[in-house]
Amino acid sequence: EAQVTQNPRYLITVTGKKLTVTCSQNMNHEYMSWYRQDPGLGLRQIYYSMNVEVTDKGDVPEGYKVSRKEKRNFPLILESPSPNQTSLYFCASSFPRRGYNEQFFGPGTRLTVL
Amino acid sequence: GNSVTQMEGPVTLSEEAFLTINCTYTATGYPSLFWYVQYPGEGLQLLLKATKADDKGSNKGFEATYRKETTSFHLEKGSVQVSDSAVYFCALLHLANDYKLSFGAGTTVTVRA
Repeated sequence: EAQVTQNPRYLITVTGKKLTVTCSQNMNHEYMSWYRQDPGLGLRQIYYSMNVEVTDKGDVPEGYKVSRKEKRNFPLILESPSPNQTSLYFCASSFPRRGYNEQFFGPGTRLTVL
Repeated sequence: GNSVTQMEGPVTLSEEAFLTINCTYTATGYPSLFWYVQYPGEGLQLLLKATKADDKGSNKGFEATYRKETTSFHLEKGSVQVSDSAVYFCALLHLANDYKLSFGAGTTVTVRA
């Protein structure tokens, strides 16, 4: 089954404790992206990657890191989480072409930073 | 810059009622437009799309028409069901900048039996 998987689905942590949220897709997609969803703000892009070893900042990259060492994986790293990073996070992947980019989303990771 | 504005929710309807969710956009050129749906506890999934002016996207009884003159892409369904309860996001695809999607704030729709 074609899918995007994220782990963990739920995480409660404390300020300053490094964490990684994994994302994996099995569709051989070139493009992968991380979003955070907050009430009233919709989805905002954190980082994206056009292909292996190619990553770039989105709209809200502060406090986050990513890597793309393999095509299928795109982990999101919070080196020193803070309470304002409490949010619902989504990973997405796609095979974009000019004028079209249907993104396939993972089920989300709900993160709480105390 | 490019942006999307959606009507605020939440919206509560009875089954078989007519649903409209307004979406307007600001963009350079003619971006592709999308509606995504998020069912409870799930990620977003594409509902419908339109890639040029006057295109009508449709899926699962939902429709939206790309109106260049009013820069709008309103979502409509003639008769909603309880299973349509979800959060709906309007989005636009930037023509430059690496295929970036910009999302509206989302509209929560609840359909009562």
